[in-house]
Amino acid sequence: QVQLVQSGAEVKKPGASVKVSCKASGYTFTGSYMHWVRQAPGQGLEWMGWINPYSGDTTYAEKFQGRVTMTRDTSINTAYMELSRLTSDDTAVFYCTRVAVGFGIYGTFDIWGQGTMVTVSS
Amino acid sequence: EIVLTQSPGTLSMSPGERATLSCRATENISNSYLAWYQQKPGQAPRLLIYGASRRATGIPDRFSGRGSGTDFTLTISRLEPEDFAVYYCQQYDTSPPTFGQGTKVESK
Repeated sequence: QVQLVQSGAEVKKPGASVKVSCKASGYTFTGSYMHWVRQAPGQGLEWMGWINPYSGDTTYAEKFQGRVTMTRDTSINTAYMELSRLTSDDTAVFYCTRVAVGFGIYGTFDIWGQGTMVTVSS
Repeated sequence: EIVLTQSPGTLSMSPGERATLSCRATENISNSYLAWYQQKPGQAPRLLIYGASRRATGIPDRFSGRGSGTDFTLTISRLEPEDFAVYYCQQYDTSPPTFGQGTKVESK
């Protein structure tokens, strides 16, 4: 079935970087844009940016510009999101999510990864 | 960016009751590019409605969406125990895509 499986929880110190992976299966990885969404504990959903798995093109939310890098490896159908210069405010669950087939860059998010908890603590 | 405001913040309901959730946008959302998601504790969001009124695959027909422009609603006709959760609206008409702050539907 169509699914996105993310890497496991991480604990990082302030100032460090974290790289989260998102492995796609059950569909054509390069056929749908992949977005990343952050959710701080007890808070709502915050869009971080997207990557085109086919071309590697990216767009990032202004808030994360300069700190986030989204990449992909088409040989293993996996997208990555790396966030640098972590602070305690980055403690959150990070989700990858696919734009539904038939949409372009922006569309409804029909498949979500299970989430990766990143804890930033000294 | 388009700001989405959901109301109420919390709905205290009983099973079997009808729940109506609101999502209001600061700008017109073209083509009804609005979606609703359900999120339960410890789980990823789940797509319920897209295009303002189209149910996603496998979503029960007790969930319905309507609206256009700047005002949208999600209705759960008869609450089931598994429907108690947080609900988010999201617009995908313009960049950046944005989410509402969520409405929690809790058991009274």
